Amino acid sequence: QSALTQPPSASGSPGQSVTISCTGTSSDVGGYNYVSWYQQHPGKAPKLMIYEVSKRPSGVPDRFSGSKSGNTASLTVSGLQAEDEADYYCSSYAGSNIVFGTGTKVTVL
Amino acid sequence: EVQLVESGGGLVKPGGSLRLSCAASGFIFSTYSMNWVRQAPGKGLEWVSSISSRTGYVYYADSVKGRFTISRDNAKNSLYLQMNTLRAEDTAVYYCASDSDILTGTFDYWGQGILVTVSS
Repeated sequence: QSALTQPPSASGSPGQSVTISCTGTSSDVGGYNYVSWYQQHPGKAPKLMIYEVSKRPSGVPDRFSGSKSGNTASLTVSGLQAEDEADYYCSSYAGSNIVFGTGTKVTVL
Repeated sequence: EVQLVESGGGLVKPGGSLRLSCAASGFIFSTYSMNWVRQAPGKGLEWVSSISSRTGYVYYADSVKGRFTISRDNAKNSLYLQMNTLRAEDTAVYYCASDSDILTGTFDYWGQGILVTVSS
């Protein structure tokens, strides 16, 4: 049950795009289409932003999009806004368990 | 409005026990799988355990298997986590979260979290 690998940090100016990667193995990310992405602001509970690789829950802006290629999933935030500054975590089904990513802190410059 | 409210956290000595509860409202609790996810201070998210909606299938992370027990009472719209033989590394904020199906990792609703501190 090793954590999925994410870059520790990412940044962009308002209006720009930022893409976060989430690398696993064929036993998790690469083997199933159950990849989710969560946004977490300091002191708050995580919020679901993307599920099943690329689906957006109701209420999540379409600036957030997800994709997957092989063992790596990605979250792209387009048109960065100040409120997008937060920690982001990916997760994946991994057989009989769930594994989260190491987390990425997104900074809006 | 969907609400998940955790309770039962606090300070406990190593080797001790604690039972967390999660009270659910605003959705049909009995049709959702439920989960516990924890976050150690300053660290990332860690999945702890999941329980299916009605059949009671349960799953655990290796780090808690044999020490923690997840259960639910659909009549009371409540989820539980019995934590035994607690260790310092179990110190974390514990969140309950719902999932439309077991082990998809689609945690659509989350509680506010409850702090568990294991220390002598």
